[in-house]
Amino acid sequence: EAQVTQNPRYLITVTGKKLTVTCSQNMNHEYMSWYRQDPGLGLRQIYYSMNVEVTDKGDVPEGYKVSRKEKRNFPLILESPSPNQTSLYFCASSPLAGYNEQFFGPGTRLTVL
Amino acid sequence: AQKVTQAQTEISVVEKEDVTLDCVYETRDTTYYLFWYKQPPSGELVFLIRRNSFDEQNEISGRYSWNFQKSTSSFNFTITASQVVDSAVYFCALSESYNTDKLIFGTGTRLQVFP
Repeated sequence: EAQVTQNPRYLITVTGKKLTVTCSQNMNHEYMSWYRQDPGLGLRQIYYSMNVEVTDKGDVPEGYKVSRKEKRNFPLILESPSPNQTSLYFCASSPLAGYNEQFFGPGTRLTVL
Repeated sequence: AQKVTQAQTEISVVEKEDVTLDCVYETRDTTYYLFWYKQPPSGELVFLIRRNSFDEQNEISGRYSWNFQKSTSSFNFTITASQVVDSAVYFCALSESYNTDKLIFGTGTRLQVFP
């Protein structure tokens, strides 16, 4: 089944404790992206990647890192999480670029205490 | 700068009513793409439609229809004869041709359809 998977689905952590949210797609898509969803703000793009080893900042990249060492994986790294990073995170992939339909993962609900 | 505005935060209707969700966008680009996504209570995001700026024809898919008007920079979404299963948050989004890697979302409209 074609899908985007994210792990973990739920995570509660404490300020400053490094964490990684994994994202994997099995559709051989070139483009992958991370978004955060907050009430009243909709979805905002954090980082995106056009291909392996090619990543770029979205609108809200502060406090996040990403890597794209393999085409299928696009992990989101929070080196030192803070409470303002409490949010619902979505990973998405697309065949070529953002102007194509994006396929979203199920979301990761992160709480930073 | 590009921007997507969904002024309706929440809409409530009774089943079988028609409902229109508004989307107004801002862009300086002449080539761009508009999208609608649905987020049901289960939380996943589901693609509904993509429209490019050169195609102003309205689209109909079953009970769903979209009205794209460049003159008013709007891309409105109408559900005819709404059903309870239509209850969801609906997002409008914009991607510009000079930077197709970025997708700008509106803040979403929560639609509640009551039986």
